[in-house]
Amino acid sequence: AQTVTQSQPEMSVQEAETVTLSCTYDTSENNYYLFWYKQPPSRQMILVIRQEAYKQQNATENRFSVNFQKAAKSFSLKISDSQLGDTAMYFCAAENSGGSNYKLTFGKGTLLTVNP
Amino acid sequence: NAGVTQTPKFRVLKTGQSMTLLCAQDMNHEYMYWYRQDPGMGLRLIHYSVGEGTTAKGEVPDGYNVSRLKKQNFLLGLESAAPSQTSVYFCASRSRGTGVGTDTQYFGPGTRLTVL
Repeated sequence: AQTVTQSQPEMSVQEAETVTLSCTYDTSENNYYLFWYKQPPSRQMILVIRQEAYKQQNATENRFSVNFQKAAKSFSLKISDSQLGDTAMYFCAAENSGGSNYKLTFGKGTLLTVNP
Repeated sequence: NAGVTQTPKFRVLKTGQSMTLLCAQDMNHEYMYWYRQDPGMGLRLIHYSVGEGTTAKGEVPDGYNVSRLKKQNFLLGLESAAPSQTSVYFCASRSRGTGVGTDTQYFGPGTRLTVL
């Protein structure tokens, strides 16, 4: 079974600054994917970024990047040049891609507030 | 392309009443999932389906039943609602694949259910 831990229930950052959200996971699988989802007040779950475990290169999507440390089972999200629209709940998730059901296991989330 | 839709968006039930939540996807995805989201708990998997006519239990299946009679629809039923089932329910779908664009779960907008 997989577990995902987000140790920061809440964080805040000033607009235009950089913030890093932490995530650790535990899995016995060799093939897996890691994801960060954003949930704004609208409640919609929006994919921010994904990382394939077999790739050493860290994924990047515009202002969002990850620091993937496979040996340490760490998958942190860095948001650069924070914007007011980044205010949301952020969920880290792991998927077992070696099986046949692609189930996601989520962390409990980090509430990020961007202050003007 | 509507993506993943959920019906209804809100519902209030009395203890002991029954209801069905409908999830529909128009992306021809094989896999579909039902999650519940409670404060401080992240998203937890209730049931899932790997194809038309198949269903399987997730992490928190008690008190719920599901059916996947058509590939595009996944129904979640509550036979006798309890206050502990007050939650926000999300449906998601995913294609069978591990490449970019095929390895992501796409979420519906959620259903807020209150059981009095």
